[in-house]
Amino acid sequence: KAGVTQTPRYLIKTRGQQVTLSCSPISGHRSVSWYQQTPGQGLQFLFEYFSETQRNKGNFPGRFSGRQFSNSRSEMNVSTLELGDSALYLCASSLDIGGPEGDTQYFGPGTRLTVL
Amino acid sequence: AQKVTQAQTEISVVEKEDVTLDCVYETRDTTYYLFWYKQPPSGELVFLIRRNSFDEQNEISGRYSWNFQKSTSSFNFTITASQVVDSAVYFCALSEFPGAGNMLTFGGGTRLMVKP
Repeated sequence: KAGVTQTPRYLIKTRGQQVTLSCSPISGHRSVSWYQQTPGQGLQFLFEYFSETQRNKGNFPGRFSGRQFSNSRSEMNVSTLELGDSALYLCASSLDIGGPEGDTQYFGPGTRLTVL
Repeated sequence: AQKVTQAQTEISVVEKEDVTLDCVYETRDTTYYLFWYKQPPSGELVFLIRRNSFDEQNEISGRYSWNFQKSTSSFNFTITASQVVDSAVYFCALSEFPGAGNMLTFGGGTRLMVKP
């Protein structure tokens, strides 16, 4: 079974631009979560989507948004990019059928975003 | 609020040494999951183990073992006879409110360097 895939793997943008990152979960997984990883703040939860609805949200400004499609694929968008948005963005998926196995998140390789 | 602390930021050992990575967590919830993930230089977080808060049994998987103690809120990870391939950053994570969504709180990570 294929793992979580993320595109693109690398991205370079300039301040003020916007960016869209894509995530395809493991087949059959219904929940998709996004995390930001930076050297200073570590791994931080951005948001989680389940059944095309945002179910949980981390403490990030409104410039960060996401959505989930009917096939569970997800996108996240960052508008008006700032230098501090440079990070590795990781997507994770889980079955979400309850129980320990269903709640385990499996991660993709990440998208490394550089904002100049 | 939940918190995960990995006090060891970097550990350096020589191959074949045993090494223990410490993880201490804080939560007010009685039901939670604890996880360990490995992040090799490629960036992808690799799932290693999940432990339910009701299950304090220690677990061994090959050279890896985990010691979960609710009394001290710790979930430590030991690698026996370390190998160069074990070099990576290891993250401990906490998930509260199972069944109400997936949101991992990560520790700061421990970078393990295994020298030949």
